[in-house]
Amino acid sequence: QKEVEQDPGPLSVPEGAIVSLNCTYSNSAFQYFMWYRQYSRKGPELLMYTYSSGNKEDGRFTAQVDKSSKYISLFIRDSQPSDSATYLCAMSLYSSASKIIFGSGTRLSIRP
Amino acid sequence: EPEVTQTPSHQVTQMGQEVILRCVPISNHLYFYWYRQILGQKVEFLVSFYNNEISEKSEIFDDQFSVERPDGSNFTLKIRSTKLEDSAMYFCASSEVAGISYEQYFGPGTRLTVT
Repeated sequence: QKEVEQDPGPLSVPEGAIVSLNCTYSNSAFQYFMWYRQYSRKGPELLMYTYSSGNKEDGRFTAQVDKSSKYISLFIRDSQPSDSATYLCAMSLYSSASKIIFGSGTRLSIRP
Repeated sequence: EPEVTQTPSHQVTQMGQEVILRCVPISNHLYFYWYRQILGQKVEFLVSFYNNEISEKSEIFDDQFSVERPDGSNFTLKIRSTKLEDSAMYFCASSEVAGISYEQYFGPGTRLTVT
């Protein structure tokens, strides 16, 4: 079983739609859960992080972590064409000094 | 806004040659990392570095790889004898402190092509 699994997409939705991106993981010891956005030929950019279980909201973005199901989600409300990118889920074990384990990324396209 | 910078943006080298990839982390950051992303694959952790020594390394980071902070601003990744399978994007990252408040900032990457 892969440590972190993510549907690679591509996912194409119309502008204004709600987008749901998901990952599952196998290692119950993960404590820090992150979503990164990566534009073509650029480095990953942190969107949101959550420590342990729960929800976190930042503007149009909501991150959810369900540790009992080993499942994390990112919701994007009122999606915009500028949200078109690859979204990487990521997690780590101990602290900010820990290595990050990335999912394979979901390519998202928002149609105007 | 402070950012991690990497040079060169693209490096082409022949198999067996040594390459050095350079990074300038954000100035007040204490933790430094290298990741790589083979085309079409996941971003993979290579190594973390703190207080002038390696904190953690992955199985990928074998004896062909080394890291160094030669001065107060640069952080380098050296590959001693490149192989075709070393072709990838190499990302440098840095973070300020350990703890719950957390962000690793990534640079734009160096595309390494081994021919």
